[in-house]
Amino acid sequence: GAGVSQSPRYKVTKRGQDVALRCDPISGHVSLYWYRQALGQGPEFLTYFNYEAQQDKSGLPNDRFSAERPEGSISTLTIQRTEQRDSAMYRCASSLGSSADTQYFGPGTRLTVL
Amino acid sequence: QKEVEQNSGPLSVPEGAIASLNCTYSDRGSQSFFWYRQYSGKSPELIMSIYSNGDKEDGRFTAQLNKASQYVSLLIRDSQPSDSATYLCAVNPPGRRALTFGSGTRLQVQP
Repeated sequence: GAGVSQSPRYKVTKRGQDVALRCDPISGHVSLYWYRQALGQGPEFLTYFNYEAQQDKSGLPNDRFSAERPEGSISTLTIQRTEQRDSAMYRCASSLGSSADTQYFGPGTRLTVL
Repeated sequence: QKEVEQNSGPLSVPEGAIASLNCTYSDRGSQSFFWYRQYSGKSPELIMSIYSNGDKEDGRFTAQLNKASQYVSLLIRDSQPSDSATYLCAVNPPGRRALTFGSGTRLQVQP
């Protein structure tokens, strides 16, 4: 079956622009996670949704970052007024239930801020 | 102290040998532990999960958990060149759904 999909796969933007990254989880998966991964590091948690409810946003680095999942399926991570330090791979993951079970990762969006 | 610590490697083993990857974690209340494999330029994929003290085997892979020592390991038997990748240890801290990852250990299996 289809896995987690993310779009765009690559995004190049200029400093100060807003970007929106999209995640389409595995069908039926209740939980959705956003992570950011720097080169040579493991993924770093940003935020978590259970259905449409954003239950943990403790990893969002500042108020330029926001996320939503209005219908409990597709999620959008928005970064406003991008800065060069925002350049990274942004990964989405989903899991079947609300318990701490297996998270399946999408291919990621490589964001480059010039 | 990092929440999840791994030796960055590279760990180099000959083909057919046993590769041993180690991970320590700081939060004693953690309950769920995962090993992900990540090939260069690809996304992490789950290879093992373990929740109880002891060993869990799946094919050539064995995960070992020792909660008293706050230590989890992954053994890969009969290592193959195709096992060459970065192995990420991940932990669920108590009360949280998100995973905390280590920085990964790069494994190189020499033909």
